Amino acid sequence: NAGVTQTPKFRILKIGQSMTLQCTQDMNHNYMYWYRQDPGMGLKLIYYSVGAGITDKGEVPNGYNVSRSTTEDFPLRLELAAPSQTSVYFCASSLIYRVNEQYFGPGTRLTVT
Amino acid sequence: KNEVEQSPQNLTAQEGEFITINCSYSVGISALHWLQQHPGGGIVSLFMLSSGKKKHGRLIATINIQEKHSSLHITASHPRDSAVYICAVSMNRDDKIIFGKGTRLHILP
Repeated sequence: NAGVTQTPKFRILKIGQSMTLQCTQDMNHNYMYWYRQDPGMGLKLIYYSVGAGITDKGEVPNGYNVSRSTTEDFPLRLELAAPSQTSVYFCASSLIYRVNEQYFGPGTRLTVT
Repeated sequence: KNEVEQSPQNLTAQEGEFITINCSYSVGISALHWLQQHPGGGIVSLFMLSSGKKKHGRLIATINIQEKHSSLHITASHPRDSAVYICAVSMNRDDKIIFGKGTRLHILP
């Protein structure tokens, strides 16, 4: 099993551009999550999903959109990128809604200039 | 004040030293978690605690619910233990998860 995979690993965006961060898991997990990690700060939940077709906002959803058309995929869309979205983004998945059960992807380092 | 506070923020120690990382929280929780983030960025769960103490190899995690405090100990530390250690809590009221800012540990050979 590959676990949780994320692409790309790194990306530089210009202000106002859009992009999609891809996340795929092959563990048949119901729950998927998107976090951002800013330097010196704790992980913040952006969006999560409890199953295909169901998504919900986390703590910091503004400027982002998600979709969950399949169990495996949970892409995160950035529309009109802003410097405040410079961060490291982690996707995670779990069978149940528990931190200790979450499997994290390797992260995507995004810089918006 | 942050709901989850970790100390110290940074810690450098010599190989073999006994390491303690602390986590205090100010909210009602159903569980506390310790995670490890490797220099390459990967995050793995180490422990989930709701009471008492857990041990896995050289790692020991304790929690005092009354004092709202948890500690992560590493015995006989090794350079491969160098990582960021993150404390997180699952809140009672809504199961929301709050993460601490992490403690960056560097073990010198």
